[in-house]
Amino acid sequence: QVQLQESGPGLVRPSGTLSLTCTVSGGSFSSFYWCWIRQPPGGGLEWLGYIHNTGSTNYNPSLKSRVSISLDTSKNQFSLKLTSAIAADTAIYYCARASRNHYYSLDVWGQGTTVTVSS
Amino acid sequence: EIVLTQSPGILSLSPGERATLSCRASQRVSASYLAWYQQKPGQAPRVLFYGASNRATGIPDRFSGSGSGTDFTLTISRLEPEDFAVYYCQQYGGTPLFTFGPGTKVD
Repeated sequence: QVQLQESGPGLVRPSGTLSLTCTVSGGSFSSFYWCWIRQPPGGGLEWLGYIHNTGSTNYNPSLKSRVSISLDTSKNQFSLKLTSAIAADTAIYYCARASRNHYYSLDVWGQGTTVTVSS
Repeated sequence: EIVLTQSPGILSLSPGERATLSCRASQRVSASYLAWYQQKPGQAPRVLFYGASNRATGIPDRFSGSGSGTDFTLTISRLEPEDFAVYYCQQYGGTPLFTFGPGTKVD
């Protein structure tokens, strides 16, 4: 059974870079879209972007050029970088998997990690 | 951008009652790329349905999903205590590729 686990600093300084890693266990990277989603305190869900196992990426335009996602198949990990962090980036960050076979639903989620942007 | 609107925002019901949740899209959702999720406090969302009406593994059959085009519905036939949660719909295919509705809290 595939499991996802987020890791990374819980506190980021304003204007700094938010960096998180998601470790995938119990499954393959092949043919899936590996996503990052965030949820601000008391708020809804926002998709940040994905990376496919081929290395292709797609990002939420609202984040403009601040976001990037990379893949390290040798470590079974994919990572998120969000530059120029602001207070509004404070949220629970989830990694998740989407598959074409399941109509691009997010069928596996990590437990989430809380990131606070504050000085 | 495809905007998803969920109604009602809060649904106040009792165990045993029927819950009907609506998700309306601002544009047609192609190929029924519409999913429903349940989120309980302190937990990650869990997928309930994909492709609008395909029940995910392990989801009880008191849950049903329906709809196409711009109008989608999640129905819980008889609420169990563990069903009180926030429910989100999500579409794929617009810009951004994935968007979520604001959620309906079943209280």
